[in-house]
Amino acid sequence: NAGVTQTPKFQVLKTGQSMTLQCAQDMNHEYMSWYRQDPGMGLRLIHYSVGAGITDQGEVPNGYNVSRSTTEDFPLRLLSAAPSQTSVYFCASSYKGGISPLHFGNGTRLTVT
Amino acid sequence: AQSVSQHNHHVILSEAASLELGCNYSYGGTVNLFWYVQYPGQHLQLLLKYFSGDPLVKGIKGFEAEFIKSKFSFNLRKPSVQWSDTAEYFCAVGTSNTGKLIFGQGTTLQVKP
Repeated sequence: NAGVTQTPKFQVLKTGQSMTLQCAQDMNHEYMSWYRQDPGMGLRLIHYSVGAGITDQGEVPNGYNVSRSTTEDFPLRLLSAAPSQTSVYFCASSYKGGISPLHFGNGTRLTVT
Repeated sequence: AQSVSQHNHHVILSEAASLELGCNYSYGGTVNLFWYVQYPGQHLQLLLKYFSGDPLVKGIKGFEAEFIKSKFSFNLRKPSVQWSDTAEYFCAVGTSNTGKLIFGQGTTLQVKP
């Protein structure tokens, strides 16, 4: 089925560990993005990409890295996990950033202890 | 930089009551405006969007929103809410020149049967 696939669904990390959240879409969307959702804060944009080879910072980029080597994939790397990164992470894609509606993945619930 | 503010954080209504959720944005150029809904345990779904033309936009499930350019507002309305409308609602603003889509803090709507 066409859509945005995120893995894993759940993850527990210890402070200082690193990990990569995977995101793939099969809709040939130009735009991909990562958000974190925290109670009372809404969704905050971490990083986004308007096409393969192009990435840019969002509202809360510190502590995260991204790359976009292919149109389909947009992994999010946590370099050294901190308790403040405990959150629900959503990957989303759209045909064209800022204009087209977003298609969301099912989310990754990350806990950092 | 673009930003979005939602005034109401938590709204409680009885079934059949009318709903209006406020959304204001800040951006000096042309914007595209969206309302998304997140039902418990699910990811975000698009309710409606505004790009240009008629400032009164109709969406799914009887929702509508009005774009008032002079007030930088895009308020969501529904004449008569149902228990099944219990969810979190997010306003978002996108711009074609940055490609970013920024969300507001969200409004939790609780509808009592």
